This record gives sequence, structure tokens and C-alpha cells, in this order.
Amino acid sequence: ELKVEQNPLFLSMQEGKNYTIYCNYSTTSDRLYWYRQDPGKSLESLFVLLSNGAVKQEGRLMASLDTKARLSTLHITAAVHDLSATYFCAGASGTYKYIFGTGTRLKVLA
Amino acid sequence: ETGVTQSPTHLIKTRGQQVTLRCSSQSGHNTVSWYQQALGQGPQFIFQYYREEENGRGNFPPRFSGLQFPNYSSELNVNALELDDSALYLCASSLEGQGAVRGYTFGSGTRLTVV
Repeated sequence: ELKVEQNPLFLSMQEGKNYTIYCNYSTTSDRLYWYRQDPGKSLESLFVLLSNGAVKQEGRLMASLDTKARLSTLHITAAVHDLSATYFCAGASGTYKYIFGTGTRLKVLA
Repeated sequence: ETGVTQSPTHLIKTRGQQVTLRCSSQSGHNTVSWYQQALGQGPQFIFQYYREEENGRGNFPPRFSGLQFPNYSSELNVNALELDDSALYLCASSLEGQGAVRGYTFGSGTRLTVV
């Protein structure tokens, strides 16, 4: 069955710095999703990546998908405090089931 | 358009009891999925409903059951509650086939505590 691993699990970074969160998955999955979750809140959809080489950007976040390497990345540019949250990637298993990673807890320090 | 709404937001139950959680899907969405998120973990797929029938299930025991109604709202029922059932339960909706392309819309969740 599809397995999804994220690293790092915890990330503390200074404002203004850049960093990348990695999402590896174990078997073929041509769809990859990124979600953000604030403490005690639900999941907010960030990116839907549907094909090899897909790259999407929204503000300071950019996500990419390499299906051959079974790798997706979420790159943070010039981090600001408002980006502090937990970020999840999820692969699609079949047509309906998401398999989530354990999440990366990001804390941006002023 | 309204989003996915879940009720109640918080719930405390005693071990061995039964609980029902409710979800109203986003307007126009006919598919509902339920996920369990334990503290510090990623959400885990419980099951999905489409056209009032279960059309996919994760690794959860039969005491986790559900329903979908003609208006596409849904219930999650858990019998014989165990302490490990304490978690945030998330409902997600989509239009058939669109969930894969656009991603699911998640509700705010129900925080269940079993004591």
C-alpha cells in the first residue's frame, strides 16, 4: 500500500530564510496534495499536483512533483511568521483515498 | 457557497459508549469521506460514501460505520468506544471524480475525547 513520508517532522526557521519540506512516497501515485493545518483547525488545501514535473506557486510557497523520483517538495521563500503551521502532503491511493504523511510542524521565528 | 460543516465541534464520551458525528457536505458535493486524526499524526482514511453507499474503506474495525443521506449529508457512528478513539474526526466532501483533480474540502472537525 502507498506510504507517504515527510521530512523534516519539525522545522524552526528565522523570518526571511528559505527552506524546503520533502515528501517521499512508496508506490506509484500520479497525484499529490499539500495541505496546511493551523492548531486545532481543519485542513486547508494549498496545492494539487497532477502530473510529473508539475510546479505550482502561491505567494511564498512553491510545490513541485517528480513522479519518477516519487518526490514532492514544498519550498518556502523568505518565511514570515504567518506561515507557522503544520504542513501535510498526501498521495492518492486509488481514486478516492488519500494517504497522508505525518506532517511537518513549521515554526517561523521573528 | 457553504463549506463543509460538522457537528458537534467537541464531544466527551465514556469508554464503551456509542457516538454519532454529523457532516453536511459543501453545496453541490455528492461524495463524503471521513478521516481520523490522532494528536500529532496525519489524518487516516476511515471510509467514503457516494450515492448513499460505502465505496471505500480504510483499516478500521466494523464498529466504525456510516451513513449518507439523499441530501448528501453523512453520519459517522462509532460503537463500543475505546480510549484510542480519542481524535479529531474530519469530514471531507467533493463532487464525484473531482476530489482527485481538485482536492477535497475538509470540515473543521469534531474533537472526540473518550475517558
